[in-house]
Amino acid sequence: EIVLTQSPGTLSLSPGERATLSCRASQSVSSSYLAWYQQKPGQAPRLLIYGASSRATGIPDRFSGSGSGTDFTLTISRLEPEDFAVYYCQQYGSSPRFGGGTKVEIK
Amino acid sequence: EVQLVESGGGLVQPGRSLRLSCAASGFTFDDYAMHWVRQAPGKGLEWVSGISWNSGSIGYADSVKGRFTISRDNAKNSLYLQMNSLRAEDTALYYCAKDMGDGLLGNFDYWGQGTLVTVSS
Repeated sequence: EIVLTQSPGTLSLSPGERATLSCRASQSVSSSYLAWYQQKPGQAPRLLIYGASSRATGIPDRFSGSGSGTDFTLTISRLEPEDFAVYYCQQYGSSPRFGGGTKVEIK
Repeated sequence: EVQLVESGGGLVQPGRSLRLSCAASGFTFDDYAMHWVRQAPGKGLEWVSGISWNSGSIGYADSVKGRFTISRDNAKNSLYLQMNSLRAEDTALYYCAKDMGDGLLGNFDYWGQGTLVTVSS
């Protein structure tokens, strides 16, 4: 069973700053089956990135994903006010599992 | 426009049963696998169960195996989750989610708004 550990737990930044979120897997994630989701309060999660680095439909290019094996990163190049939310990484392909989440809050 | 609308949640006593439904529209339902994902109040996301396009492949989280049953009716564009022997720890918002593929890839590109299940005496 793969365990995903996200860090930091909370990221305090200002609009316009760059956000770097980490997701570390306890074992290698096959075929880069790693996704990132954004969730705002009272809303369902939204798929941002799949296959570690492919943006989902309609996702702005300020969101980018990278990494392979056990270490993955979600980068938001310049934070917009609507980007403050909780972000989850997820391993898929077999028995999908989510990380614990990183909250990006306004500093 | 893809729409997923869950229903069937509510307050139920421990040990009792509940059946959730998800009505899908805006895409060819029988081309895709479907899943249930839950989120306990104030907590993170947990995959519960998934079913392939033709019901040929089904998977469950260990936490619900033997108690929950997923099914689908492609003629009705609907997904279901039969939940038996409910426990307090099953209390959560249950989301219906569409897979990007027809097998149990478990990559969710569309989500419903969820239906709340509360297990309490």
